[in-house]
Amino acid sequence: DIQMTQSPPSLSASVGDRVAITCRTSQDIKSDLGWYQQKPGKAPKRLISYASILQRGVPSRFSGSGYGTEFTLTIRSLQPEDFATYYCLQHNDYPITFGQGTRLEIK
Amino acid sequence: EEQLVESGGALVEPGGSLRLSCAGSGFSFSSYEMNWVRQAPGKGLEWVAYIHHSGSPIYYTDSVKGRFTISRDNARNSLFLQMTGLKVEDTAVYYCVRDDRDGYVDDPFDVWGQGTLVTVSS
Repeated sequence: DIQMTQSPPSLSASVGDRVAITCRTSQDIKSDLGWYQQKPGKAPKRLISYASILQRGVPSRFSGSGYGTEFTLTIRSLQPEDFATYYCLQHNDYPITFGQGTRLEIK
Repeated sequence: EEQLVESGGALVEPGGSLRLSCAGSGFSFSSYEMNWVRQAPGKGLEWVAYIHHSGSPIYYTDSVKGRFTISRDNARNSLFLQMTGLKVEDTAVYYCVRDDRDGYVDDPFDVWGQGTLVTVSS
């Protein structure tokens, strides 16, 4: 199985800050990784596909980068609506696996 | 609007069975692969099962193999998850998730339903 290591588990930041969340995989998954945002009581929403493709309608302050085994989700100029939990997902091989999640909280 | 709506979640005793359904609308359901993903209360996301748009291949996470069966009815735009031998640790919100990595539009895990809660408890 492909192991996912997502860090940090939690992050405290202020509106206007720039933050980065990292996902490392135990083997090369090329760019087969997505990033998701989840708010309490809601389904996850995809932000980024194939490591760096921003989904239509997602603000450009979100960006994804990486290839192989290390990936980063960056949010620049945090807005109040960005405080949520973020997950990475690899779909290179079965079983599909998720990162453990990063809870982004308001400082 | 492209939409997935799950149903069938309930409170069930350990060892019991349950069948979840997911209705797709607003898109060509038969062209897409589908998945079930679950989330235990207060926990992270866990992929459960996958089915190709043709019905095969099918994949499961190890913890549900032999107990859960994923299936679909393309004529009814529906996805199912038959769950038997339920355990307390199967308690979760179950999400139906659209997928395409087979070349139709190449858009993995893009649309999620709102989820249905399965509670396994005596």
